[in-house]
Amino acid sequence: DGGITQSPKYLFRKEGQNVTLSCEQNLNHDAMYWYRQDPGQGLRLIYYSQIVNDFQKGDIAEGYSVSREKKESFPLTVTSAQKNPTAFYLCASSIGGQGAVYEQYFGPGTRLTVT
Amino acid sequence: AQKITQTQPGMFVQEKEAVTLDCTYDTSDPSYGLFWYKQPSSGEMIFLIYQGSYDQQNATEGRYSLNFQKARKSANLVISASQLGDSAMYFCAMREGIYGNKLVFGAGTILRVKS
Repeated sequence: DGGITQSPKYLFRKEGQNVTLSCEQNLNHDAMYWYRQDPGQGLRLIYYSQIVNDFQKGDIAEGYSVSREKKESFPLTVTSAQKNPTAFYLCASSIGGQGAVYEQYFGPGTRLTVT
Repeated sequence: AQKITQTQPGMFVQEKEAVTLDCTYDTSDPSYGLFWYKQPSSGEMIFLIYQGSYDQQNATEGRYSLNFQKARKSANLVISASQLGDSAMYFCAMREGIYGNKLVFGAGTILRVKS
């Protein structure tokens, strides 16, 4: 089955530790995205990547880092510099980058709790 | 700056009836795209329907239709013949430019379908 995989579904970390969230897609999509969702709120864009080895900051990139070494993978690292890391993180992908009108497909999400 | 407003925090609808979820937007870009997504309690975002700013007709997808009123900057989602499985959070989102990548989301509306 084609789709987007995010692991793990639930993640617990101590404050001050970096943590990496996995996102893998087998849809052959060029573009990938990371969003953050806080309770009762909409999604906010953290980072996005239109092609391999290239990525851009979204609206709330501070305290986060990404890499895009392979087309199918777009891991997100939540660093200790992120002041409020506890949230629900959603990864998405779409067929094209700039120049495409296609909708974004989302993974099941990772719920990160930092104490 | 773009902005999406969903003024209804929560809505109730009787099973088999139609319901309208409101969305207004604000942008100075003449080219834009509007999306509606459904988020069940599992957390995954499901694409429902898309409307481009230059589309002449309102978008429809099965039981979903988009009431697009460009002059009023509104893009309301209409769900006909509501089903219990429609109970979820619904998000309106806007893409910057017709061919952009960044999506800006509203705060969402929780819909509960009553039997």
